[in-house]
Order: sequence, then C-alpha cells, then structure tokens
Amino acid sequence: NAGVMQNPRHLVRRRGQEARLRCSPMKGHSHVYWYRQLPEEGLKFMVYLQKENIIDESGMPKERFSAEFPKEGPSILRIQQVVRGDSAAYFCASSPKVAGRASNEQFFGPGTRLTVL
Amino acid sequence: DAKTTQPNSMESNEEEPVHLPCNHSTISGTDYIHWYRQLPSQGPEYVIHGLTSNVNNRMASLAIAEDRKSSTLILHRATLRDAAVYYCILRALTQGGSEKLVFGKGTKLTVNP
Repeated sequence: NAGVMQNPRHLVRRRGQEARLRCSPMKGHSHVYWYRQLPEEGLKFMVYLQKENIIDESGMPKERFSAEFPKEGPSILRIQQVVRGDSAAYFCASSPKVAGRASNEQFFGPGTRLTVL
Repeated sequence: DAKTTQPNSMESNEEEPVHLPCNHSTISGTDYIHWYRQLPSQGPEYVIHGLTSNVNNRMASLAIAEDRKSSTLILHRATLRDAAVYYCILRALTQGGSEKLVFGKGTKLTVNP
C-alpha cells in the first residue's frame, strides 16, 4: 500500500503565477488535510476535506488559496497570484474513515516545497 | 485546542533512553494525547497516542501522569535515526468535527553518536 503521495516535490514560481499542489491519499482514505510549514516554524493547519466536501477551512487564508478533493483524482491545493510569503513546505495528510469519524492517526506525505521568486 | 508545553531542545547519546516531557495542564477529559515526530526534510510521522493508561508500541512508550496534566514520550534506546522534532498534541475527537492537528514548536532531539 503506497503512502501519501504529493507532487511536485519542489515547485518554483515567480510572483503573480499560480501554484497547484497535488495530494493522492493512501488507498482507502477518505479524509485529507493540508498543512503549511514556514521556514523554521511548526506546521499550521490549513484545510480538512472529505470527498467533494470542505469540512474545515479555518486555517486557509481568505484570498488566493483554495482546495478541493474531487470524487475522482487527487486533492488539489491551489494558490493564485503567489507572493514571496507563500514560500513554504506544504504537507498533505490522509486518514481513513472509521465508524463515521476520522481515525486517530494521520499519515503525512513528503511535502511540496514551494519557492516563490 | 488545549495547549502543550515542551522543551525547545534535548540531547541524548546513542543507545541510551530518552524521556521527552510534555505539560498539558489544561487538558480536558476527552482530549487524547498524541505524539508525532518530523525527521529533517520529511513530513511528520505518527509515533503514539493515549488517553489515560500508559501505552507501548514498537516505536516508543507513552507514560501519562495520573492527573493527565503531563506525559512523557520514552524512546528506550535512541538511535541516530531518532533525531527529529517531536510534537506533543492534544486532540479532542468529536463526532463530525474537525480532526485537525494543532502543532506547537515541539522538542528538537539531537542524538550524539
């Protein structure tokens, strides 16, 4: 069973461009979480999604950021008109659905390191 | 989410036990205590979790104080591969609620050969 996959692993964008980060959860997992880690800081929660639903987006910046987890395909974190402050490592995690609730454990991917020039 | 307090850094020697403390004096009765670790340039990795009783798994042991206001992650024999930032996290599992993890700054563990 492959782990959580993220691509690309490294992404370089110029200010004003769009960044698309992809996350394929572990097989059978229906819950996806996105976290951001700024240089030398801890991880900050951004958004929690289930298939076709955003459950909690309390950590998402109000503008330029959006996330989706379609019925088919990977979850996408999209950042429009990137700025230098968006440079960070973006981690995706997934967990299975257990008895109607998310499992205790989250499985993390290797992350996408975004650099904005 | 309830807060946790951890030392910024700790050092250990290879092959020796390591005790990583965590204070969570405002823990509520339904909060689980979770530990994750993040190796350099990698995503976080689940280590262990518990509610009231001490827990053991292949990676570590978790000792929870009787009043639950503190806990200790125990690595029985540290190896160089255990060098990482260790995060102590409280999670309240609620039906239909957000299952997000709230990371603090964690403890950076250095293991000396």
